[in-house]
Amino acid sequence: EPEVTQTPSHQVTQMGQEVILRCVPISNHLYFYWYRQILGQKVEFLVSFYNNEISEKSEIFDDQFSVERPDGSNFTLKIRSTKLEDSAMYFCASSEPGRGGNGELFFGEGSRLTVL
Amino acid sequence: GENVEQHPSTLSVQEGDSAVIKCTYSDSASNYFPWYKQELGKRPQLIIDIRSNVGEKKDQRIAVTLNKTAKHFSLHITETQPEDSAVYFCAAHNQAGTALIFGKGTTLSVSS
Repeated sequence: EPEVTQTPSHQVTQMGQEVILRCVPISNHLYFYWYRQILGQKVEFLVSFYNNEISEKSEIFDDQFSVERPDGSNFTLKIRSTKLEDSAMYFCASSEPGRGGNGELFFGEGSRLTVL
Repeated sequence: GENVEQHPSTLSVQEGDSAVIKCTYSDSASNYFPWYKQELGKRPQLIIDIRSNVGEKKDQRIAVTLNKTAKHFSLHITETQPEDSAVYFCAAHNQAGTALIFGKGTTLSVSS
């Protein structure tokens, strides 16, 4: 069964450093998402991406965040200058063609970011 | 934007009992309401969803009801088993947007 894959599974970084989290969505999906989950808290929407541009973003997704689809398979989240409060599990997700956000989100296993 | 409230935050039941988790949403244009189950250290996984054109949907021991007038929807789990223990998140999506907005989650504990 196809699934969303994410790398790395865990990254430890120093405050102020840049981090890139990588995701390979399910191949025929067209909508891609990043969500964040601080330990023990809810899953928070960061950004949605469709047709090579951002469709929607939350207030969390400020200027230090960016997303990119550098090739036909990868979807990346860059955090430019990490802060302690960026420590969280970051989930990538994708959804089927024609569904947008109006259908099942398929989540990756997550990338745990620890900022020291 | 959409705001989803979920309660209770924790729920403890005995094996075999029923469990009910309730959510409310703010955006009357919302038309898709999924429920996700997240086991410790794992990704959220869809267990059931409902669209605004129906009031109830059932899948074996799990059912979801939707009241569009009151803007609330509920998850019902019958004959609970220890393996149902997890965090359950409701979510809502509005017609205009692309984001799925999640509630704060309910930690369900089923004791045998």
